[in-house]
Amino acid sequence: EVELVESGGGLVQPGGSLRLSCAASGFTFSTSGMGWVRQAPGKGLEWVSSISTAIFSAGSVRGRFTISRDNSKNTLYLHMNSLRVDDTAVYYCATDNNGFKIWGQGTMVTVSS
Amino acid sequence: QSVLTQPPSASGTPGQRVTISCSGGNSNVGRHSVNWYQQFPGTAPRLLIYINDQRPSGVPHRFSGSKSGTSASLAISGLQSEDEADYYCASWDDSLNGWVFGGGTKLTVL
Repeated sequence: EVELVESGGGLVQPGGSLRLSCAASGFTFSTSGMGWVRQAPGKGLEWVSSISTAIFSAGSVRGRFTISRDNSKNTLYLHMNSLRVDDTAVYYCATDNNGFKIWGQGTMVTVSS
Repeated sequence: QSVLTQPPSASGTPGQRVTISCSGGNSNVGRHSVNWYQQFPGTAPRLLIYINDQRPSGVPHRFSGSKSGTSASLAISGLQSEDEADYYCASWDDSLNGWVFGGGTKLTVL
């Protein structure tokens, strides 16, 4: 069964750091583009970052968030530094191959003092 | 303010045909294909249409997509109550070097 499972979310203070993980199974992870998309409470979808043969990141997170992957562990990561209150959102990982086809269930990140 | 513009809401009665528009520009929709996503409250989005008009396996044929110039549309024919959800369009943007989404359209089945 094709599956993506995110973990690592939680409550963090402004300026803090967090690392999200996304464990993949049921497909060839190493050859798939991958990405992160977030959704603030009551708001729409916002692309965060993608990794394939290159790395792309949204301007709002560039310099603070870093996407990476470990193909030996079939795992995608999002390293988040200098977190701000407006980074509060559900973070989804998804396969990114000309569109986000397979999605995880999401992990909630709350940035608050 | 989203880069791609969608109406915030749409509605229809069961059996009707409804369309949802997505307007972009030359750096995104005008140059790249459009994907559509369906999202129910509290759940992850689902890819509904990719590369403008292609349906992934499992998506009913009553969902269709089209694109012309810098605009795209999602059409739902034979509207059903279970179609009540939020719908988002997305495209790659060359100026921003990333994916851009529409603000989303909340579809209500009356």
